[in-house]
Amino acid sequence: NAGVMQNPRHLVRRRGQEARLRCSPMKGHSHVYWYRQLPEEGLKFMVYLQKENIIDESGMPKERFSAEFPKEGPSILRIQQVVRGDSAAYFCASSPPNRGDYEQYFGPGTRLTVT
Amino acid sequence: GENVEQHPSTLSVQEGDSAVIKCTYSDSASNYFPWYKQELGKRPQLIIDIRSNVGEKKDQRIAVTLNKTAKHFSLHITETQPEDSAVYFCAARDNYGQNFVFGPGTRLSVLP
Repeated sequence: NAGVMQNPRHLVRRRGQEARLRCSPMKGHSHVYWYRQLPEEGLKFMVYLQKENIIDESGMPKERFSAEFPKEGPSILRIQQVVRGDSAAYFCASSPPNRGDYEQYFGPGTRLTVT
Repeated sequence: GENVEQHPSTLSVQEGDSAVIKCTYSDSASNYFPWYKQELGKRPQLIIDIRSNVGEKKDQRIAVTLNKTAKHFSLHITETQPEDSAVYFCAARDNYGQNFVFGPGTRLSVLP
């Protein structure tokens, strides 16, 4: 059973470009969470999605950021017109449907560098 | 919404000593409390968790205790080893929204 997959692992973008980060949850998991982590800091919640639904996006900046989790395919975190302050590690995590199993597992992260 | 605090922010112990990290949460509806270990440049890894119907759980050198009345839970690491050095995060899962709220982390250094 493969774990949570994220790609790319490293992404370099110039200011103003778009960044697309992908997350494939563990098999059988239908809940996906995205977090941002700056160096030497904690995990900042961004968005929580289930298939085709955004459940909680209270941590997402109002502009330039969007997320989706389509019926088929990976979850995508999209950052438009990136700025230097977007440079961070972005972690995706997944957890099973809410049937009493709550464990949340993290992917390896995508390290975004904006030049 | 839920708020999770974590103390201390940094902790240094001698190899072989015990380490204790404490977290408090605000929402009495939270029912699941995991602990994650994150080594430098790596992903957070789930090391132990506890549910609200249990007061204590142990896995080899690691144990977690939960006090629902006081709304706090703690991670205990015994016989610490240099490879235990990492940042540890606690979290609480909101039973209503099913979201996870993380503490700010504790940087543990185990000195040989």
